[in-house]
Amino acid sequence: KAGVTQTPRYLIKTRGQQVTLSCSPISGHRSVSWYQQTPGQGLQFLFEYFSETQRNKGNFPGRFSGRQFSNSRSEMNVSTLELGDSALYLCASSLEGGQEKLFFGSGTQLSVL
Amino acid sequence: GESVGLHLPTLSVQEGDNSIINCAYSNSASDYFIWYKQESGKGPQFIIDIRSNMDKRQGQRVTVLLNKTVKHLSLQIAATQPGDSAVYFCAETGATNKLIFGTGTLLAVQP
Repeated sequence: KAGVTQTPRYLIKTRGQQVTLSCSPISGHRSVSWYQQTPGQGLQFLFEYFSETQRNKGNFPGRFSGRQFSNSRSEMNVSTLELGDSALYLCASSLEGGQEKLFFGSGTQLSVL
Repeated sequence: GESVGLHLPTLSVQEGDNSIINCAYSNSASDYFIWYKQESGKGPQFIIDIRSNMDKRQGQRVTVLLNKTVKHLSLQIAATQPGDSAVYFCAETGATNKLIFGTGTLLAVQP
């Protein structure tokens, strides 16, 4: 069974641009969560989607948004990029939702110049 | 606010020794705790979990201990191997059902 797949693996953007990251969960998993990982702040919860609905949201500005499609694939979007948005963005899926037994992808490393 | 912290940022052990990684949590209402392992270039990998109604849970070469009195969590790795070298994170689910991660401990296994 394939694991969680995130694309692209690396991304370089400049300030003010927007970016879209993609995540394909493990087959059969209906929940997708997104996390931001930085050396300074560690792993921080962004949001969770379950059956195309946002079920939970972390403390990030409205520039961070996401969505989930009917096939459970998810995208997250960051608009008006700032230097501080440089981070590893991790997607995790779970079978029934919530934050138990998450399976993480390898992440998208975003660099904002 | 809620927070989960680690006592030691780096732990160096000899191959074959046992490792103990510690974690403190602040939210006494948390009822689920998880340990993750993150190798370089990869996402966190689930190791073991424990619910607040348990004090101890064992897996393959790993044991998690939960002390609710002092809000302390530990991960014990038996017969540590070079492949165990990674960053280890503890995490808790708080009342908001958001996973809160600790800052991580780097485990370095010396041959």
